[in-house]
Amino acid sequence: GAGVSQSPRYKVAKRGQDVALRCDPISGHVSLFWYQQALGQGPEFLTYFQNEAQLDKSGLPSDRFFAERPEGSVSTLKIQRTQQEDSAVYLCASSLKGGVEHWANVLTFGAGSRLTVL
Amino acid sequence: AQSVSQHNHHVILSEAASLELGCNYSYGGTVNLFWYVQYPGQHLQLLLKYFSGDPLVKGIKGFEAEFIKSKFSFNLRKPSVQWSDTAEYFCAVLSGGSYIPTFGRGTSLIVHP
Repeated sequence: GAGVSQSPRYKVAKRGQDVALRCDPISGHVSLFWYQQALGQGPEFLTYFQNEAQLDKSGLPSDRFFAERPEGSVSTLKIQRTQQEDSAVYLCASSLKGGVEHWANVLTFGAGSRLTVL
Repeated sequence: AQSVSQHNHHVILSEAASLELGCNYSYGGTVNLFWYVQYPGQHLQLLLKYFSGDPLVKGIKGFEAEFIKSKFSFNLRKPSVQWSDTAEYFCAVLSGGSYIPTFGRGTSLIVHP
């Protein structure tokens, strides 16, 4: 597609519910990132995929957070047993490639999924 | 771990005023540097980037940024702001050998007409 598409745009969950957030990156983009953005803060790294391989998940805040990208395109971020502190905007971004090829390091972001946990 | 500091969290200016937003990073090696902007109701988008070469980088809409290696800084500037520049501005750094850009907490800019 022309851009990075995320769904749902808004999600309200009751505390303890599971949620799944979807990201459809730009076609052909190898790298995919998930970031969490709390109100008034910058994006905080969650996890990184290169094709279907999850190369870094060091930013996932707990084992309730899980991400996958099984076919190297669409990715899903799943949060189990949601807590109020999970309320944030979850941003997905993709880039042509990662690492040393600097020309390919520019991130294209989706609009984000705003999660509110009551 | 890399860290990025944006010193000005909220900036309010009148149209035609000059703008400078600070960005400092902690990593001392090779870096790629970015400024992203988020206009109201829109998603984050690239404003400008530095990879190598001329440390003065020009971006869209009259913005520029200067990489000063000795000061670990990449400040964003614009000589004369417009009301349409009202937005959130984020500095980001990609350290050499890393795949993952680190973002600052952002600066909220409000320009009064």
